[in-house]
Amino acid sequence: DGGITQSPKYLFRKEGQNVTLSCEQNLNHDAMYWYRQDPGQGLRLIYYSQIVNDFQKGDIAEGYSVSREKKESFPLTVTSAQKNPTAFYLCASKVIRSGANVLTFGAGSRLTVL
Amino acid sequence: GEDVEQSLFLSVREGDSSVINCTYTDSSSTYLYWYKQEPGAGLQLLTYIFSNMDMKQDQRLTVLLNKKDKHLSLRIADTQTGDSAIYFCAARFAGNNRKLIWGLGTSLAVNP
Repeated sequence: DGGITQSPKYLFRKEGQNVTLSCEQNLNHDAMYWYRQDPGQGLRLIYYSQIVNDFQKGDIAEGYSVSREKKESFPLTVTSAQKNPTAFYLCASKVIRSGANVLTFGAGSRLTVL
Repeated sequence: GEDVEQSLFLSVREGDSSVINCTYTDSSSTYLYWYKQEPGAGLQLLTYIFSNMDMKQDQRLTVLLNKKDKHLSLRIADTQTGDSAIYFCAARFAGNNRKLIWGLGTSLAVNP
């Protein structure tokens, strides 16, 4: 079955450490996205990529980095520069074409900073 | 600017209809979406409507779009306890095809 796999589901980090969240899709989707979700704040866009080896900052990119070396993969690194990284992180993907361009989401990764 | 607003909470009795409302500010919207998020999970698409439509029905779900008032609603008929979740409204505007503008989500509680 096609879909998006995020790992790990739960991650604990000490302050000052970088962590990388994995996102892999086998849907042959062109574009991939990372969102951050905090209680009562909805979804905020961190980074997105529409093509391999290219990505753009979203609304809250500071303290995060990404790479898109393969079409299927879009890992997110939460660096020590991110002041408040505890949150639920969602990866999503979609095809790029005319029409509804519906986003497909992964199950999410919950990061807790100890 | 572009904005999407929703009420934060809704509580209904099992078997009743639920109506979740959403308003948006930019009349250049193209597509409007409803996503559902169950606790601790990702979002799943429920339905979407193109801006030249007034209504779309899919089994228990009915979407109504009032373009004049920039108002979108999602009606869930015969609401069940399994419908308890957060429902997000999202809009894609003509001037920004690369990302969606999201509402904060409406938490629906279904009481037996």
